[in-house]
Amino acid sequence: NAGVTQTPKFQVLKTGQSMTLQCAQDMNHNSMYWYRQDPGMGLRLIYYSASEGTTDKGEVPNGYNVSRLNKREFSLRLESAAPSQTSVYFCASRAGQSNSPLHFGNGTRLTVT
Amino acid sequence: QQPVQSPQAVILREGEDAVINCSSSKALYSVHWYRQKHGEAPVFLMILLKGGEQKGHDKISASFNEKKQQSSLYLTASQLSYSGTYFCGTEMDGNNRKLIWGLGTSLAVNP
Repeated sequence: NAGVTQTPKFQVLKTGQSMTLQCAQDMNHNSMYWYRQDPGMGLRLIYYSASEGTTDKGEVPNGYNVSRLNKREFSLRLESAAPSQTSVYFCASRAGQSNSPLHFGNGTRLTVT
Repeated sequence: QQPVQSPQAVILREGEDAVINCSSSKALYSVHWYRQKHGEAPVFLMILLKGGEQKGHDKISASFNEKKQQSSLYLTASQLSYSGTYFCGTEMDGNNRKLIWGLGTSLAVNP
């Protein structure tokens, strides 16, 4: 059982380049999330999708876009990468019940030079 | 909206106890507790829903005080494997699924 799969694991971008981080889950979960984690800042919510067909902004959405392609997949796009977007990005998913835990992917370590 | 965790860091000797607190200025629907080791993804510990419940998980338990909008994580007879950063995540509305995290509490357990 793969759980939540994120690709790529590592990425180096130059300022101004664009890229898409991919996330897929095979647990039939309704809700999916993108977080970024920086030292001393904890996990900050970028965007989330409460259910297929909906997306909402989190705490730090500027500079990012998301697509809930279908129930399984939730991608995060950086249109014009900036050094401030250097971070570890985690995708997570959870089922529809209110007492359901988050399942995290292994993270993508992104460096923007 | 971000929950406040305290303390920021704890150092224990193996076998000692610790309490980590998570508080919010807004009414909470649920509190999630996770532990993260360096370079890894966070790992689920437990969820508490509003209603003031308490949960246990081996020697790790938690409570949720709805009046104070505060949750506490209790680590008893700590083991070396308890080392890591503990995060609480809070949800204010059970319908919109928005989960926001505190800054974390770093816990080091030494022999």
